[in-house]
Amino acid sequence: RKEVEQDPGPFNVPEGATVAFNCTYSNSASQSFFWYRQDCRKEPKLLMSVYSSGNEDGRFTAQLNRASQYISLLIRDSKLSDSATYLCVVSGGSNYKLTFGKGTLLTVNP
Amino acid sequence: GAVVSQHPSWVICKSGTSVKIECRSLDFQATTMFWYRQFPKQSLMLMATSNEGSKATYEQGVEKDKFLINHASLTLSTLTVTSAHPEDSSFYICSGQGSSGANVLTFGAGSRLTVL
Repeated sequence: RKEVEQDPGPFNVPEGATVAFNCTYSNSASQSFFWYRQDCRKEPKLLMSVYSSGNEDGRFTAQLNRASQYISLLIRDSKLSDSATYLCVVSGGSNYKLTFGKGTLLTVNP
Repeated sequence: GAVVSQHPSWVICKSGTSVKIECRSLDFQATTMFWYRQFPKQSLMLMATSNEGSKATYEQGVEKDKFLINHASLTLSTLTVTSAHPEDSSFYICSGQGSSGANVLTFGAGSRLTVL
């Protein structure tokens, strides 16, 4: 089983749609969880951290289920500018080593 | 916010040559630098972790003699791909972590290496 596994995608959605990404992780000792966004040929950029209580940042909602080792990201009212690859990232241990999922490509169409 | 400057942003070289990639932390001291590699349509894979003033720790399957990492100062880490081959063509990204141990890393903009 891969350490971090994401929906393979790609997702093609119209503007204004709601889209959800799912991610599972294998290491139950993982401590921190993130969603990163990566534009084509660019470095990843932190979108949001994910907390057990769930957290929201504008149109973006992230949830974590430790029991199921599952993370999700919901994007509401998607915009053209949301088109990117979304990376599920898990961290554990004292050196904050990040393990990246393969990413899910989202294309928002006009 | 914290910035990591990485260059070159892209490089094309002939097979057998060596290529050096630099990452500088501009407004913080990066006690730890992580080096990643990303092949097309693949996830970022951690290659090695370097701490200032000590030898880098390489991930399984990464040849330490081929990918030389130097982290001689708190603001500069370098990755040298020695005797590059076409299969080394990839996107290399560094990320720095400050002494506070913050869980969020600052990424460089990446270096795209093409080996002919």
